[in-house]
Amino acid sequence: DTGVSQNPRHKITKRGQNVTFRCDPISEHNRLYWYRQTLGQGPEFLTYFQNEAQLEKSRLLSDRFSAERPKGSFSTLEIQRTEQGDSAMYLCASSKEGYNTIYFGEGSWLTVV
Amino acid sequence: QKEVEQDPGPLSVPEGAIVSLNCTYSNSAFQYFMWYRQYSRKGPELLMYTYSSGNKEDGRFTAQVDKSSKYISLFIRDSQPSDSATYLCAMSASHAGKSTFGDGTTLTVKP
Repeated sequence: DTGVSQNPRHKITKRGQNVTFRCDPISEHNRLYWYRQTLGQGPEFLTYFQNEAQLEKSRLLSDRFSAERPKGSFSTLEIQRTEQGDSAMYLCASSKEGYNTIYFGEGSWLTVV
Repeated sequence: QKEVEQDPGPLSVPEGAIVSLNCTYSNSAFQYFMWYRQYSRKGPELLMYTYSSGNKEDGRFTAQVDKSSKYISLFIRDSQPSDSATYLCAMSASHAGKSTFGDGTTLTVKP
């Protein structure tokens, strides 16, 4: 069990640029989640996959955000035309169907300058 | 008003003290209640998972859920300096899918 892996861990980008984060869940975990967390706040739900199907998506996820999980394994979160308000830690988590425990990765920190 | 409210603290206690952390919520649909621990610049780690009302104990940790009052608590007995972290409560209406988090309480346990 190697844990949930997120890359890159840190990203500094200029406003208006596109960024992509990758998440590799724990093997055999068919559920995958993306959350966003800013300093002093709790994680905020973005989206949820079961296998390759995106089953739930936050209204907060604007058209600039898109997430995919093409083969039901790793997932990507893309942010287009980044804004300073997108600066946050993006957390990925995974779980196995039938089990209660959700495992979070270490997060990907985004700074938009 | 947020669906889940949590006192941000900070909370500072001496080693060995009993710590009480609390959250209130407004959504009656919440059935699953979790407590996470988060160290600085790390991802949250699940501590306790409770379904519906009642108590659950795991070592030094006890989670309580009172759905009638929409109030949940986490008690830490014999607190240790290594317990110093931010504690997040989280809730969901279904077994899978979205969890709604509180903003966390920062705890410091002094030796």
